[in-house]
Amino acid sequence: SQTIHQWPATLVQPVGSPLSLECTVEGTSNPNLYWYRQAAGRGLQLLFYSVGIGQISSEVPQNLSASRPQDRQFILSSKKLLLSDSGFYLCAWKRENYNSPLHFGNGTRLTVT
Amino acid sequence: GQQVMQIPQYQHVQEGEDFTTYCNSSTTLSNIQWYKQRPGGHPVFLIQLVKSGEVKKQKRLTFQFGEAKKNSSLHITATQTTDVGTYFCAGGYNTDKLIFGTGTRLQVFP
Repeated sequence: SQTIHQWPATLVQPVGSPLSLECTVEGTSNPNLYWYRQAAGRGLQLLFYSVGIGQISSEVPQNLSASRPQDRQFILSSKKLLLSDSGFYLCAWKRENYNSPLHFGNGTRLTVT
Repeated sequence: GQQVMQIPQYQHVQEGEDFTTYCNSSTTLSNIQWYKQRPGGHPVFLIQLVKSGEVKKQKRLTFQFGEAKKNSSLHITATQTTDVGTYFCAGGYNTDKLIFGTGTRLQVFP
């Protein structure tokens, strides 16, 4: 069966510090991978998605970036965090088929102080 | 671009009462998916609708897809405290990404 791992679960970082969140998927190959952000009590905002190694689509211009160095690894980064980067970051995977459902990781709760 | 709106934003009900959340897309959908997020948790896939006018049931939950494939609804009959959470619809447009609705937070009082 497929599993998705996302870490860390919680993170407190000062403004201006770098960020690296990692997500890995097991039990499937060539998954589509996604990063969503959820502000407190709000909806899900799609940040980045990837349909293959090295292929990144950015949905929202901001100080975040994403990379996919391996087939089942997706990384979200920032060189300098802003207060507005606080939120609940969710990694998800789905099969290539357009109609496939998303499977989410447990999320990382990021607080920028 | 595509937008998916969902109403209401919040709903408080007494246990045993019914609950409905509505989802509307700015453009025609190829499919609609529904997810549930428990407080402090991550969204979990519930169901997908693909066909115009489709109706699917999961125990006390009834999902409908509009004839024009631009709207959908989720109805819960006789809510229970275990139904508490935020319900999201997510619209598919024959692309690799899903656009999530704003979500409806359901609170059930015993």
